[in-house]
Amino acid sequence: DSGVTQTPKHLITATGQRVTLRCSPRSGDLSVYWYQQSLDQGLQFLIQYYNGEERAKGNILERFSAQQFPDLHSELNLSSLELGDSALYFCASSVDVLNEQFFGPGTRLTVL
Amino acid sequence: GENVEQHPSTLSVQEGDSAVIKCTYSDSASNYFPWYKQELGKGPQLIIDIRSNVGEKKDQRIAVTLNKTAKHFSLHITETQPEDSAVYFCAATQTDRGSTLGRLYFGRGTQLTVWP
Repeated sequence: DSGVTQTPKHLITATGQRVTLRCSPRSGDLSVYWYQQSLDQGLQFLIQYYNGEERAKGNILERFSAQQFPDLHSELNLSSLELGDSALYFCASSVDVLNEQFFGPGTRLTVL
Repeated sequence: GENVEQHPSTLSVQEGDSAVIKCTYSDSASNYFPWYKQELGKGPQLIIDIRSNVGEKKDQRIAVTLNKTAKHFSLHITETQPEDSAVYFCAATQTDRGSTLGRLYFGRGTQLTVWP
Protein backbone atom coordinates (compact mmCIF):
# COMPACT_ATOMS: atom_id res chain seq x y z
CA ASP A 1 0.00 0.00 0.00
CA SER A 2 1.56 3.27 -1.19
CA GLY A 3 -0.53 5.50 1.07
CA VAL A 4 -2.15 7.25 -1.91
CA THR A 5 -5.90 6.69 -2.11
CA GLN A 6 -8.15 7.09 -5.11
CA THR A 7 -11.90 6.92 -5.45
CA PRO A 8 -13.87 5.50 -7.06
CA LYS A 9 -12.11 2.29 -8.09
CA HIS A 10 -14.37 1.79 -11.08
CA LEU A 11 -16.56 4.20 -12.99
CA ILE A 12 -18.90 3.36 -15.85
CA THR A 13 -20.63 6.19 -17.65
CA ALA A 14 -21.98 7.25 -21.03
CA THR A 15 -20.59 9.46 -23.75
CA GLY A 16 -21.16 13.14 -23.16
CA GLN A 17 -21.23 12.80 -19.38
CA ARG A 18 -18.98 14.39 -16.76
CA VAL A 19 -17.15 12.59 -13.96
CA THR A 20 -14.90 13.53 -11.06
CA LEU A 21 -12.01 11.39 -9.86
CA ARG A 22 -10.61 11.96 -6.41
CA CYS A 23 -7.12 11.50 -5.00
CA SER A 24 -5.72 11.82 -1.49
CA PRO A 25 -1.91 12.02 -1.40
CA ARG A 26 0.33 10.37 1.19
CA SER A 27 0.49 12.22 4.46
CA GLY A 28 3.02 15.05 4.14
CA ASP A 29 3.22 14.99 0.34
CA LEU A 30 2.64 18.37 -1.28
CA SER A 31 2.82 17.42 -4.94
CA VAL A 32 0.13 15.52 -6.83
CA TYR A 33 0.42 14.17 -10.37
CA TRP A 34 -2.27 12.71 -12.61
CA TYR A 35 -1.47 10.09 -15.26
CA GLN A 36 -3.58 8.29 -17.83
CA GLN A 37 -2.84 4.69 -18.79
CA SER A 38 -4.24 3.22 -21.99
CA LEU A 39 -3.19 0.44 -24.33
CA ASP A 40 -2.66 2.96 -27.13
CA GLN A 41 -0.67 5.62 -25.30
CA GLY A 42 0.84 3.81 -22.34
CA LEU A 43 1.35 5.87 -19.18
CA GLN A 44 0.97 9.55 -20.01
CA PHE A 45 1.38 12.53 -17.71
CA LEU A 46 -1.65 14.82 -17.54
CA ILE A 47 -1.06 17.50 -14.91
CA GLN A 48 0.83 18.31 -11.73
CA TYR A 49 -0.07 20.37 -8.67
CA TYR A 50 2.19 21.51 -5.87
CA ASN A 51 0.72 22.85 -2.64
CA GLY A 52 -2.46 23.97 -4.37
CA GLU A 53 -0.91 25.47 -7.47
CA GLU A 54 -0.67 24.05 -10.97
CA ARG A 55 3.01 23.35 -11.77
CA ALA A 56 3.06 21.51 -15.09
CA LYS A 57 0.72 20.37 -17.82
CA GLY A 58 1.15 17.45 -20.15
CA ASN A 59 -1.10 16.14 -22.89
CA ILE A 60 -4.28 17.04 -21.05
CA LEU A 61 -7.35 17.70 -23.15
CA GLU A 62 -9.27 20.95 -22.76
CA ARG A 63 -12.27 18.86 -21.66
CA PHE A 64 -10.24 17.77 -18.63
CA SER A 65 -9.44 19.93 -15.63
CA ALA A 66 -8.03 19.42 -12.18
CA GLN A 67 -7.46 21.19 -8.91
CA GLN A 68 -5.74 20.66 -5.60
CA PHE A 69 -7.56 21.77 -2.49
CA PRO A 70 -6.18 23.34 0.73
CA ASP A 71 -6.21 19.92 2.43
CA LEU A 72 -4.01 18.76 -0.51
CA HIS A 73 -6.45 16.27 -1.98
CA SER A 74 -6.94 16.60 -5.71
CA GLU A 75 -9.77 16.07 -8.15
CA LEU A 76 -9.61 15.38 -11.88
CA ASN A 77 -12.72 16.44 -13.77
CA LEU A 78 -13.45 14.86 -17.15
CA SER A 79 -16.31 16.30 -19.20
CA SER A 80 -18.01 15.65 -22.55
CA LEU A 81 -16.68 12.13 -22.28
CA GLU A 82 -15.83 10.17 -25.40
CA LEU A 83 -15.27 6.45 -25.94
CA GLY A 84 -11.55 7.13 -26.24
CA ASP A 85 -11.40 8.51 -22.71
CA SER A 86 -11.82 4.99 -21.36
CA ALA A 87 -8.61 4.29 -19.49
CA LEU A 88 -6.99 3.87 -16.10
CA TYR A 89 -6.36 7.16 -14.32
CA PHE A 90 -3.64 7.21 -11.70
CA CYS A 91 -2.75 9.77 -9.13
CA ALA A 92 0.76 9.92 -7.71
CA SER A 93 2.19 12.02 -4.92
CA SER A 94 5.62 13.11 -3.76
CA VAL A 95 7.03 15.28 -1.00
CA ASP A 96 8.12 17.78 -3.63
CA VAL A 97 9.28 17.78 -7.24
CA LEU A 98 12.67 16.37 -6.24
CA ASN A 99 11.56 13.10 -4.77
CA GLU A 100 10.02 9.74 -5.53
CA GLN A 101 6.49 9.53 -6.83
CA PHE A 102 4.16 7.00 -5.25
CA PHE A 103 1.13 5.86 -7.19
CA GLY A 104 -2.39 5.16 -6.04
CA PRO A 105 -4.42 2.11 -7.09
CA GLY A 106 -6.09 3.99 -9.93
CA THR A 107 -9.62 4.59 -11.19
CA ARG A 108 -10.78 2.52 -14.15
CA LEU A 109 -13.06 4.66 -16.31
CA THR A 110 -15.28 2.99 -18.89
CA VAL A 111 -17.23 5.21 -21.28
CA LEU A 112 -20.05 3.41 -23.09
CA GLY B 1 10.27 16.55 -24.52
CA GLU B 2 11.86 13.38 -23.27
CA ASN B 3 11.44 10.11 -25.17
CA VAL B 4 11.98 6.81 -23.35
CA GLU B 5 12.33 3.56 -25.27
CA GLN B 6 12.05 0.21 -23.44
CA HIS B 7 13.02 -3.30 -24.57
CA PRO B 8 11.96 -6.03 -24.71
CA SER B 9 8.18 -5.71 -24.60
CA THR B 10 7.85 -9.28 -23.31
CA LEU B 11 10.33 -11.45 -21.45
CA SER B 12 9.93 -15.03 -20.27
CA VAL B 13 12.45 -16.65 -17.95
CA GLN B 14 12.71 -19.78 -15.86
CA GLU B 15 12.56 -19.44 -12.10
CA GLY B 16 16.04 -18.79 -10.76
CA ASP B 17 17.33 -17.22 -13.96
CA SER B 18 18.19 -13.54 -14.35
CA ALA B 19 16.12 -10.96 -16.22
CA VAL B 20 17.38 -7.76 -17.83
CA ILE B 21 15.23 -4.91 -19.13
CA LYS B 22 16.81 -2.02 -21.01
CA CYS B 23 15.75 1.58 -21.54
CA THR B 24 17.16 4.51 -23.47
CA TYR B 25 16.32 8.17 -23.05
CA SER B 26 16.78 11.16 -25.32
CA ASP B 27 17.13 14.23 -23.07
CA SER B 28 20.60 14.58 -21.56
CA ALA B 29 19.11 16.86 -18.87
CA SER B 30 17.20 13.93 -17.32
CA ASN B 31 18.77 13.03 -14.00
CA TYR B 32 16.36 10.71 -12.19
CA PHE B 33 15.41 7.23 -13.40
CA PRO B 34 12.87 5.17 -11.45
CA TRP B 35 11.60 1.67 -12.18
CA TYR B 36 8.04 0.63 -11.42
CA LYS B 37 6.40 -2.78 -11.13
CA GLN B 38 2.72 -3.03 -11.99
CA GLU B 39 0.73 -6.11 -11.10
CA LEU B 40 -2.64 -6.80 -12.63
CA GLY B 41 -5.31 -4.48 -11.30
CA LYS B 42 -2.87 -2.39 -9.25
CA GLY B 43 -1.04 0.89 -9.56
CA PRO B 44 2.66 1.12 -10.44
CA GLN B 45 4.88 0.37 -7.45
CA LEU B 46 8.30 2.00 -7.18
CA ILE B 47 10.89 -0.76 -6.83
CA ILE B 48 14.20 1.02 -7.34
CA ASP B 49 15.52 4.30 -8.68
CA ILE B 50 18.85 5.86 -9.62
CA ARG B 51 20.09 9.40 -9.96
CA SER B 52 22.58 10.60 -12.54
CA ASN B 53 25.43 10.99 -10.08
CA VAL B 54 25.46 7.21 -9.50
CA GLY B 55 26.37 4.44 -11.95
CA GLU B 56 24.79 1.47 -10.18
CA LYS B 57 22.41 0.77 -7.32
CA LYS B 58 21.42 -2.54 -5.75
CA ASP B 59 18.60 -3.63 -3.49
CA GLN B 60 18.69 -7.36 -2.71
CA ARG B 61 17.87 -9.16 -6.00
CA ILE B 62 17.29 -5.97 -7.96
CA ALA B 63 19.90 -3.69 -9.46
CA VAL B 64 19.85 -0.75 -11.82
CA THR B 65 22.74 0.53 -13.93
CA LEU B 66 23.02 3.88 -15.66
CA ASN B 67 25.25 4.93 -18.55
CA LYS B 68 24.88 8.70 -18.94
CA THR B 69 27.15 8.89 -21.96
CA ALA B 70 25.10 6.39 -23.92
CA LYS B 71 21.85 7.59 -22.31
CA HIS B 72 20.66 4.16 -21.29
CA PHE B 73 19.78 2.41 -18.06
CA SER B 74 18.90 -1.17 -17.23
CA LEU B 75 17.05 -3.18 -14.61
CA HIS B 76 18.58 -6.47 -13.51
CA ILE B 77 16.61 -9.02 -11.50
CA THR B 78 18.55 -12.03 -10.25
CA GLU B 79 17.22 -15.35 -8.93
CA THR B 80 13.79 -14.61 -10.37
CA GLN B 81 10.69 -15.96 -8.66
CA PRO B 82 7.13 -16.45 -9.96
CA GLU B 83 6.00 -13.47 -7.87
CA ASP B 84 8.31 -11.27 -9.95
CA SER B 85 5.87 -11.76 -12.84
CA ALA B 86 4.41 -8.33 -13.67
CA VAL B 87 4.76 -5.42 -16.07
CA TYR B 88 7.86 -3.33 -15.43
CA PHE B 89 8.12 0.31 -16.49
CA CYS B 90 11.17 2.50 -16.71
CA ALA B 91 10.86 6.27 -16.51
CA ALA B 92 12.97 9.39 -16.72
CA THR B 93 12.66 12.97 -15.54
CA GLN B 94 14.49 16.06 -14.36
CA THR B 95 14.38 16.93 -10.67
CA ASP B 96 16.49 20.06 -10.47
CA ARG B 97 15.34 22.48 -7.81
CA GLY B 98 13.52 25.44 -9.32
CA SER B 99 12.39 23.50 -12.34
CA THR B 100 8.73 23.03 -13.02
CA LEU B 101 9.47 19.54 -14.23
CA GLY B 102 9.33 16.30 -12.26
CA ARG B 103 6.73 14.71 -14.49
CA LEU B 104 7.70 11.16 -15.38
CA TYR B 105 8.20 10.04 -18.97
CA PHE B 106 7.53 6.32 -19.13
CA GLY B 107 8.67 3.53 -21.39
CA ARG B 108 5.97 1.28 -22.87
CA GLY B 109 6.56 -1.50 -20.35
CA THR B 110 7.93 -5.04 -20.28
CA GLN B 111 5.70 -7.99 -19.43
CA LEU B 112 7.92 -10.31 -17.40
CA THR B 113 6.76 -13.88 -16.91
CA VAL B 114 8.70 -16.18 -14.58
CA TRP B 115 7.92 -19.87 -15.10
CA PRO B 116 8.21 -22.20 -12.10
